[in-house]
Amino acid sequence: SQTIHQWPATLVQPVGSPLSLECTVEGTSNPNLYWYRQAAGRGLQLLFYSVGIGQISSEVPQNLSASRPQDRQFILSSKKLLLSDSGFYLCACATRRGETQYFGPGTRLLVL
Amino acid sequence: KNQVEQSPQSLIILEGKNCTLQCNYTVSPFSNLRWYKQDTGRGPVSLTIMTFSENTKSNGRYTATLDADTKQSSLHITASQLSDSASYICVVTDTTSGTYKYIFGTGTRLKVLA
Repeated sequence: SQTIHQWPATLVQPVGSPLSLECTVEGTSNPNLYWYRQAAGRGLQLLFYSVGIGQISSEVPQNLSASRPQDRQFILSSKKLLLSDSGFYLCACATRRGETQYFGPGTRLLVL
Repeated sequence: KNQVEQSPQSLIILEGKNCTLQCNYTVSPFSNLRWYKQDTGRGPVSLTIMTFSENTKSNGRYTATLDADTKQSSLHITASQLSDSASYICVVTDTTSGTYKYIFGTGTRLKVLA
């Protein structure tokens, strides 16, 4: 079964600073990968998904970007963080579209 | 309006008691409905998955039901344990245009007390 790693677990960043969150997957090849954000008291919001290396689809216009430089590596980035970027960021993978998504442990980001 | 509504928002029960969480959805068409358990500060973990043709699915003390006609699902927890304290999230897979996008409810936060 697949294992999803995310780091860091917690991050405190000042407004205007850059961001890089990394997600790596073990135990599967060519997975579909997803980045979600979870705000307090709200459902998970899909930010990006990828069906292969270099293939990124954005769900909502925002201050963030994503990249997939390797098959099992998914990176979430920002050039300048906003206060509204604070939240709990979750990476997920599925063997293919429509299959059960498995989530990583998450990264809690606080922008001050 | 959220396409997946859950109730109650929060629930407190005593250890050993049963409880039922509700999920109403408007997502259409959909391929399946899932229940996830999310411990505080952790990623969600899948509990059950049901297609539109299934009425019930069990996973240990967790039993999910689905009524595709009324677009309602429930998650029943039997003989609750302290470790059941978590948020429970209902997720419906939207198959519009073949996207298979997950539509998440906002969750029910369950607290089990000794």
